[in-house]
Amino acid sequence: EAQVTQNPRYLITVTGKKLTVTCSQNMNHEYMSWYRQDPGLGLRQIYYSMNVEVTDKGDVPEGYKVSRKEKRNFPLILESPSPNQTSLYFCASMTEGGSPLHFGNGTRLTVT
Amino acid sequence: DAKTTQPTSMDCAEGRAANLPCNHSTISGNEYVYWYRQIHSQGPQYIIHGLKNNETNEMASLIITEDRKSSTLILPHATLRDTAVYYCIVRVRGGSQGNLIFGKGTKLSVKP
Repeated sequence: EAQVTQNPRYLITVTGKKLTVTCSQNMNHEYMSWYRQDPGLGLRQIYYSMNVEVTDKGDVPEGYKVSRKEKRNFPLILESPSPNQTSLYFCASMTEGGSPLHFGNGTRLTVT
Repeated sequence: DAKTTQPTSMDCAEGRAANLPCNHSTISGNEYVYWYRQIHSQGPQYIIHGLKNNETNEMASLIITEDRKSSTLILPHATLRDTAVYYCIVRVRGGSQGNLIFGKGTKLSVKP
């Protein structure tokens, strides 16, 4: 089944403790992206990647890192999480040709 | 990519057609109109897209005005499960796919 898989679904952590949220897609998509969603602010893009080893900042990249060493994986890294990064995170992917975005089921992160 | 404007919220009676408008007055000739929806806190789901002709699929119909400055998503027989936030996005298909701006969308409430 074609899908975007994020892990974990729920994560509670403390300020400053490094964490990684994984994202994997099995559709051979070139484009992958991370969004965060907060009440009243809608979906905001954090980082995106047009292909392997090609990444770029979205609207709200501060405090986040990404890497794209393989086509299928696009992990989101929080080196030193802070409470303002408490949010619902979505990974998405699509082909370079402009097909619709496919989204993962989300990761709800709480930083205390 | 052009910006879009949508009403914040709408109500619809169960079984009736839901008509969700979107204004995209600055749309370029090569930009498509895409619609997604997000049910509760799940990952956004693709619904339909079009360039200038009206489109229909098993989920919905998309009506685009002749000048392409606005469009309407139609759910022909809304059910309670169609209660969601609906996002209208315009973007170039096959071109730069960097920052896909979702905006705040329209919260559709389908009532019994």
